[in-house]
Amino acid sequence: EAAVTQSPRSKVAVTGGKVTLSCHQTNNHDYMYWYRQDTGHGLRLIHYSYVADSTEKGDIPDGYKASRPSQENFSLILELASLSQTAVYFCASTRQGAENTEVFFGKGTRLTVV
Amino acid sequence: AQSVTQPDARVTVSEGASLQLRCKYSYFGTPYLFWYVQYPRQGLQLLLKYYPGDPVVQGVNGFEAEFSKSNSSFHLRKASVHWSDWAVYFCAVSSNTGGLSGKLTFGEGTQVTVIS
Repeated sequence: EAAVTQSPRSKVAVTGGKVTLSCHQTNNHDYMYWYRQDTGHGLRLIHYSYVADSTEKGDIPDGYKASRPSQENFSLILELASLSQTAVYFCASTRQGAENTEVFFGKGTRLTVV
Repeated sequence: AQSVTQPDARVTVSEGASLQLRCKYSYFGTPYLFWYVQYPRQGLQLLLKYYPGDPVVQGVNGFEAEFSKSNSSFHLRKASVHWSDWAVYFCAVSSNTGGLSGKLTFGEGTQVTVIS
C-alpha cells in the first residue's frame, strides 16, 4: 500500500525560530508536494518537486523553502516562523507522467507558532 | 487560473436521507476533477475522480459524482447517508498535464453533519 509519512505530527514553534517538517514516501513516486490547510479552508500548494535536488514554487511559496535530498524525502523549511504560518501541513506524492494516477496524502503536521 | 467553488460551507442531513454537495470549477480546457473526504484530524482520502469520459463516476462507500461541462460543475451525491459520512468534503481540480496531477486546486470544503 502506498504510504506517505510525515514527522512530526504536531509541533509548537516560537516566532522567529526555524522549523523543519519532514516527509517520507515509500511509493517510488517522482512527484512530491507540500500543502497547507488553514482552519475551515481547503489546501493550498506551497512547493513541489518532480526530481531529487530540485524544487518548484507552488501557489503560496513566500516564507517557505523546500528541500528534496532524495526521491523518498521532501522537507519544508520555515526559516523564520511567524504566527501566520500556524496551520496544518500536508505532504503528498504521485507518479510521474501518468495521467490516470492517484495522489497520496500524509496524515498532516499540525504546526502552532506562538 | 483554475479555481473551485463549493457554495455550501455546511450541510446537515438526516441519517438515511440523500446527500448532494455542490462543486463549481473554472478551468481552461478539460479538467481532471476529484472529491476528497477528510475525517477529523486525518489526512485526505480520495472518494472518486473524473478523467475525460463517462460523466458519471462511481466512488467508494456509495458516492457518485456527475461532471457537467456546460454547467462547469462536478456535484457529489449519495443516496443514503450513514453516520460515518460525518466529515469535511473537498472538491479539487488539477492540471491534465501528465505528471502534474498532484498540483491540485481545492475548494473551501463542505462540512457534512449527520443527525439521527
